[in-house]
Amino acid sequence: SQQGEEDPQALSIQEGENATMNCSYKTSINNLQWYRQNSGRGLVHLILIRSNEREKHSGRLRVTLDTSKKSSSLLITASRAADTASYFCATGSSGGSQGNLIFGKGTKLSVKP
Amino acid sequence: DAGVTQSPTHLIKTRGQQVTLRCSPISGHKSVSWYQQVLGQGPQFIFQYYEKEERGRGNFPDRFSARQFPNYSSELNVNALLLGDSALYLCASSLPRLAGAEDTQYFGPGTRLTVL
Repeated sequence: SQQGEEDPQALSIQEGENATMNCSYKTSINNLQWYRQNSGRGLVHLILIRSNEREKHSGRLRVTLDTSKKSSSLLITASRAADTASYFCATGSSGGSQGNLIFGKGTKLSVKP
Repeated sequence: DAGVTQSPTHLIKTRGQQVTLRCSPISGHKSVSWYQQVLGQGPQFIFQYYEKEERGRGNFPDRFSARQFPNYSSELNVNALLLGDSALYLCASSLPRLAGAEDTQYFGPGTRLTVL
């Protein structure tokens, strides 16, 4: 079963705009990760944020984590057409094994040139 | 450095057949996890192996099995294939958990299985 939901399910923006995706989860977590997937291929790891962190940056990516609300957001600034992909959040549970990530259903981002 | 590799890329089988999918982790990674991704959904955890031992199992029937070899590569076997087994099967490798190590998993390109 899915851990939670990404919101929105689909997002369409113009190049240069910012894109914000949200993720909610259900159980206690050790960390939360964001992945990108292009056209049904393998997932590319974008960023990991630990449960004791509130915000993290990597290039044009900004991730926030609110453990009290069991939610996270991914912000992509100054989007490019190459950012078009599906984005997934995944959680590693505090009681689970390291290799067991629980994914949401993803947000499909379309960036128009 | 080579990333996670998977073979074959695509596979077509018929109902009732058996299939074996293969995965080679990133050099130095000792943990391999398998995921199933049905079209339009996020990946679902199937198995994790570490040092050739099963460390975790998702909610999948016994038709699904896996193993890890001494070189840390892994195979996923699915018996008595059903139409619903059609999916992208993803393999991911990671370092073992050490103090301060991050739990990042690195994914391969996947094997697209179609069951007719």
